[in-house]
Amino acid sequence: NAGVMQNPRHLVRRRGQEARLRCSPMKGHSHVYWYRQLPEEGLKFMVYLQKENIIDESGMPKERFSAEFPKEGPSILRIQQVVRGDSAAYFCASSPPEGARNNEQFFGPGTRLTVL
Amino acid sequence: AQSVTQPDIHITVSEGASLELRCNYSYGATPYLFWYVQSPGQGLQLLLKYFSGDTLVQGIKGFEAEFKRSQSSFNLRKPSVHWSDAAEYFCAVAGPGGGNKLTFGTGTQLKVEL
Repeated sequence: NAGVMQNPRHLVRRRGQEARLRCSPMKGHSHVYWYRQLPEEGLKFMVYLQKENIIDESGMPKERFSAEFPKEGPSILRIQQVVRGDSAAYFCASSPPEGARNNEQFFGPGTRLTVL
Repeated sequence: AQSVTQPDIHITVSEGASLELRCNYSYGATPYLFWYVQSPGQGLQLLLKYFSGDTLVQGIKGFEAEFKRSQSSFNLRKPSVHWSDAAEYFCAVAGPGGGNKLTFGTGTQLKVEL
């Protein structure tokens, strides 16, 4: 059983461009979480999604950031008009429906975004 | 709001020595508690978790942690550290009953001297 997959692993963008980060949850997992890790900091929650629904987006910046988890395909974290402060590692985690109740989340390897 | 404090940013131990990484949390009720390990350039791997019951929990790679409600702590321990344990360790807390987001501490970087 493959783990949580994220791609790309490394992404370089210039200021003002768009960044699209993809996350494929583990097989059988229907809950996806996105976290951001800034340099020298711990992970900060961004958003929690189930298939076709955003459950909790309390950690998402108000502008330029959006997330989706369609019925088919991976979850996408989209950052429009990137700025240097968006440079960070973005981690996706997934959990099965029963796991969501006790918060056992399985993490992917992360996407490291660098904004030039 | 819940929070997690890991007071030690860096810790260095000799291989074979014992290890204790500190974690204190702030939460209104009994939380769900986790320890994750992150190797350089990698994602997070779950070491152990506490939901309820026995306050001493055993995890993978020989790690254990003890939940102490009176001290709001969940310290991670290992009796004998191996060089391969060098990594960053994160403590995290989540609310029971459907609060799905994890709140992480800032991490403790462990260095192991041979």
